[in-house]
Amino acid sequence: DAGITQSPRHKVTETGTPVTLRCHQTENHRYMYWYRQDPGHGLRLIHYSYGVKDTDKGEVSDGYSVSRSKTEDFLLTLESATSSQTSVYFCAISEEGQSTTYNEQFFGPGTRLTVL
Amino acid sequence: AQSVTQLGSHVSVSEGALVLLRCNYSSSVPPYLFWYVQYPNQGLQLLLKYTTGATLVKGINGFEAEFKKSETSFHLTKPSAHMSDAAEYFCAVRKFASKIIFGSGTRLSIRP
Repeated sequence: DAGITQSPRHKVTETGTPVTLRCHQTENHRYMYWYRQDPGHGLRLIHYSYGVKDTDKGEVSDGYSVSRSKTEDFLLTLESATSSQTSVYFCAISEEGQSTTYNEQFFGPGTRLTVL
Repeated sequence: AQSVTQLGSHVSVSEGALVLLRCNYSSSVPPYLFWYVQYPNQGLQLLLKYTTGATLVKGINGFEAEFKKSETSFHLTKPSAHMSDAAEYFCAVRKFASKIIFGSGTRLSIRP
């Protein structure tokens, strides 16, 4: 299994509070991603990173920010959590290259976030 | 623009029966296609992928998928379902800059 951990694995918080989720990898992959998973929507990309300090928005980025100060860590922050952000959050990593062994994404175990 | 459509949010088959999960894609460039599986309370795991070459791709756990360009399809099959196959399955297409677009998922149930 790819070395990807997420913390915390479960969190319950209240509306309006800030929340930070952490993704840590030991694979030295360049790309890192944050997704949210909701019933009927599959996985939707929130933000991704293509290198240290290099990040970009995904399709559902409103209300979220990210930071990547080291290759191995990618943080997702909800500045002021809302009930609509109750979801399961997955981190993923990938590497890019010409070989067809690249291009797939490896996923962490997920963080279940409940915003009351 | 790339997109993925999975037909059927829930599929139920009997143990030992054929599994067929449908996926159609749209892509303006030759696609990279993936099937991922998610077991309860776990992350996604790659089942198989198509990049180039042979259009019939074999994956883990006896699953395979066939890339049909003329039909823009990448359906997932397994000849004989096992109880342990019960999970959610996601079809996905590579977009660009390493971004992947996922379908909405198909939950597979296995009847004893």
